Amino acid sequence: QVQLQESGRGLVQPSETLSLSCAVSGYSISRGFYWVWIRQPPGEGLEWIGHLYHSGVTSYNASLKSRVTMSVDTSKNQFSLKLTSVTAADTAVYYCARSDLTRLDYWGRGALVTVSS
Amino acid sequence: QSALTQPRSVSGSPGQSVTISCTGTSSDVGAYNSVSWYQQHPGKAPKLMIYDVSERPSGVPDRFSGSKSGNTASLTISGLQAGDDADYYCCSHAGSYIVIFGGGTKLTVL
Repeated sequence: QVQLQESGRGLVQPSETLSLSCAVSGYSISRGFYWVWIRQPPGEGLEWIGHLYHSGVTSYNASLKSRVTMSVDTSKNQFSLKLTSVTAADTAVYYCARSDLTRLDYWGRGALVTVSS
Repeated sequence: QSALTQPRSVSGSPGQSVTISCTGTSSDVGAYNSVSWYQQHPGKAPKLMIYDVSERPSGVPDRFSGSKSGNTASLTISGLQAGDDADYYCCSHAGSYIVIFGGGTKLTVL
């Protein structure tokens, strides 16, 4: 059974960098699929942040592209998200998921990140 | 890329059927048969219900069905049950490895 688990700091200061990791079990990232980050502000809808392929090739949401970096560590079977210069608008539950570009079939439970001083 | 358009809310009584629409453009929903639907209960992660417009993952009841016509995709839930009360999101491939979601629809089972 494929499982994903987000981890990272739950409170980030404005203007700092949000960092999250997603540990994958039950499937080797290096075998394929796209590895995705999605966020959901409190009370709002889902927003696709971007994804990366196991080779490290990435694709980002145009509205976040200047602030987002995703990377993969196949030795740890995990992938990561960094979002720079955060503001209160970046407060959200951040999900990681697996995709083949037609569906997001496995999701993590989500990690709430609050941007506040 | 703008979000796909969904009704904010729909409702139905147990046993009835409801349909949730998802309208995009000829660059996303209309261009690809890569529409998927997700069910989300409060405080939980979304769950895949439909992919490739009308395919159901293993374990999803056949009460859930999907279709597409032009730039609009639809999710139909028949034989409504209390557990179907949730938020539903559509999602589509939009070219150049970009993915967009709909704004979400709150389904209330009366």
